[in-house]
Amino acid sequence: EVQLLESGGGLEQPGGSLRLSCAASGFTFSDYGMSWVRQVPGKGLEWVSSIRGSGGRTNHADSVKGRFTISRDDSQNTLYLQMNSLRAEDTAVYYCARNSWFGEFFDYWGQGTLVTVTS
Amino acid sequence: EIVMTQSPATLSVSPGERATLSCRASQSVSSKLAWYQQKPGQAPRLLIYGASTRATGIPARFSGSGSGTEFTLTISSLQSEDFAVYYCQHYNNWPPLTFGGGTKVEIK
Repeated sequence: EVQLLESGGGLEQPGGSLRLSCAASGFTFSDYGMSWVRQVPGKGLEWVSSIRGSGGRTNHADSVKGRFTISRDDSQNTLYLQMNSLRAEDTAVYYCARNSWFGEFFDYWGQGTLVTVTS
Repeated sequence: EIVMTQSPATLSVSPGERATLSCRASQSVSSKLAWYQQKPGQAPRLLIYGASTRATGIPARFSGSGSGTEFTLTISSLQSEDFAVYYCQHYNNWPPLTFGGGTKVEIK
């Protein structure tokens, strides 16, 4: 059974940093691209970042480019999102998601971790 | 950036009735279109990919159609568990990947 378990969310001040983690199990992690998608409570979904399998190419949304970095440790079956220079508008639930074999859509999602940026 | 527009924002439907949800792309995405269902307090769940292929375990009452810029998700006979928010997402010519704003299907 595919499982994705996020951690690392919490309360941070503007300008601060957080690192989110996503522990994956139930599939060969290195074979799959992975992504982060966020959702402001009560609002829609926003793609944040993606990384190809085996530490390949990364992509970030313009809204986080230069501040967030996606990475992965295939030996630990873990996906990361390093979030620097946090802003109030980064407040959201952050979901870890597995990219499908058939394209950059998301066939499995974690339960999400809430990041709140406030002074 | 490809903008995805969903309509209507809210759809009121009685159980057992058909629901038709629309998604429009600002430029062609071919058939690279996915649909998700999200219930309150839960993560999204993949329903449809490739515009019309049901994901594993998705009931046959869910169907997708369309290509290019116009897409439809149809729920043939709404069950109580289908009342939720539905999102479309393109995966053609990215980054960025973008989602529609969502359609809330509520009980009439």
